[in-house]
Amino acid sequence: AQSVTQLGSHVSVSEGALVLLRCNYSSSVPPYLFWYVQYPNQGLQLLLKYTTGATLVKGINGFEAEFKKSETSFHLTKPSAHMSDAAEYFCAVTLNTGGFKTIFGAGTRLFVKA
Amino acid sequence: EPEVTQTPSHQVTQMGQEVILRCVPISNHLYFYWYRQILGQKVEFLVSFYNNEISEKSEIFDDQFSVERPDGSNFTLKIRSTKLEDSAMYFCASSPETTEQYFGPGTRLTVT
Repeated sequence: AQSVTQLGSHVSVSEGALVLLRCNYSSSVPPYLFWYVQYPNQGLQLLLKYTTGATLVKGINGFEAEFKKSETSFHLTKPSAHMSDAAEYFCAVTLNTGGFKTIFGAGTRLFVKA
Repeated sequence: EPEVTQTPSHQVTQMGQEVILRCVPISNHLYFYWYRQILGQKVEFLVSFYNNEISEKSEIFDDQFSVERPDGSNFTLKIRSTKLEDSAMYFCASSPETTEQYFGPGTRLTVT
């Protein structure tokens, strides 16, 4: 069965520190991988995506993620956290199983301390 | 910049009533989706729609739910007889092809 696991429902970092949000997936077909950010009372904003090609993808706001097929991972990183990065982050997988279906992880809430 | 819009932003309804949530996808997009997010939980896939028919649906999308593209612009989600557990934020999304989806701001549905 297809699934997305995000390790850590809450992550707290200091401003300027490295941000690492972990995502592992399980899929029987080649996945398309995404990270979305959700600010309070708002919708989902795409941070970055992997479809094919280069496994290190760069997104908005200085975020990047690396697709590692052997580890079935797609971890999100940012070298230096800003206060404005505090939000909920969702890893997602879109699968072509005849139709198209996107499965989201449970989310990781990022706290940034001054 | 084009965006997905949803109306209403907040809908309150009584248990057993029918509700229709409306979405206007981005105009040249071909694929349409509905998701829901129960407060404090993850976003859950409901249904995807392409070429005027459902292409994929989840276990949540039972006979109480239906989707329709009544004209060239709107995409609706109908819940026939709402239950308390249908209270959630409902997100519409659209995509030009099968990968990147653009999400609307959501409709908060409250069933009392």
